[in-house]
Amino acid sequence: DAKTTQPNSMESNEEEPVHLPCNHSTISGTDYIHWYRQLPSQGPEYVIHGLTSNVNNRMASLAIAEDRKSSTLILHRATLRDAAVYYCILSSGNTPLVFGKGTRLSVIA
Amino acid sequence: NAGVTQTPKFQVLKTGQSMTLQCAQDMNHNSMYWYRQDPGMGLRLIYYSASEGTTDKGEVPNGYNVSRLNKREFSLRLESAAPSQTSVYFCASSERFRQGRTEAFFGQGTRLTVV
Repeated sequence: DAKTTQPNSMESNEEEPVHLPCNHSTISGTDYIHWYRQLPSQGPEYVIHGLTSNVNNRMASLAIAEDRKSSTLILHRATLRDAAVYYCILSSGNTPLVFGKGTRLSVIA
Repeated sequence: NAGVTQTPKFQVLKTGQSMTLQCAQDMNHNSMYWYRQDPGMGLRLIYYSASEGTTDKGEVPNGYNVSRLNKREFSLRLESAAPSQTSVYFCASSERFRQGRTEAFFGQGTRLTVV
């Protein structure tokens, strides 16, 4: 399985943008980049995914480097409800999602 | 919409006891999964079912069995519980086994303690 590297933890002030990085230098051409987050005492929830182009949805934006060896999840305006563990996952068509330890995001009021 | 429903939410077992964790989804998804999450760790895949009638081992299958009862339901059985199986168990489903492009939905988890 292709591996990802994320910082263990990050901190942000409320109402400021947050950029969560992910390195995936061994990504293959068929790997999609997925982001999930896990709020305290809940199951993971889907945030966003992409292949090559940057993606936007109501929750976040995903910026993918041109060489696809890294990506950044952008929360445009962090709220206290965004405090969670964020997982960056690579997935091709033939394997289930494999979770790492993710980045624990703390949001300060 | 209920999404993915897991029962029970909490369970305490004695070492050696058996139990079945139930999971049902109402989204007509083809693929279903069981993960476990130990404190401070990410999720690890136990078993998955790419489609009705098929099951496959994941990363940590030892000590568990699964049954894909029908398209909606995927159960996880512990035949002889051990303290090392104390964990939070998550069931998930996705539309089809093309995880590269499809979103997975997770249940709220079952917190299992084996004493």
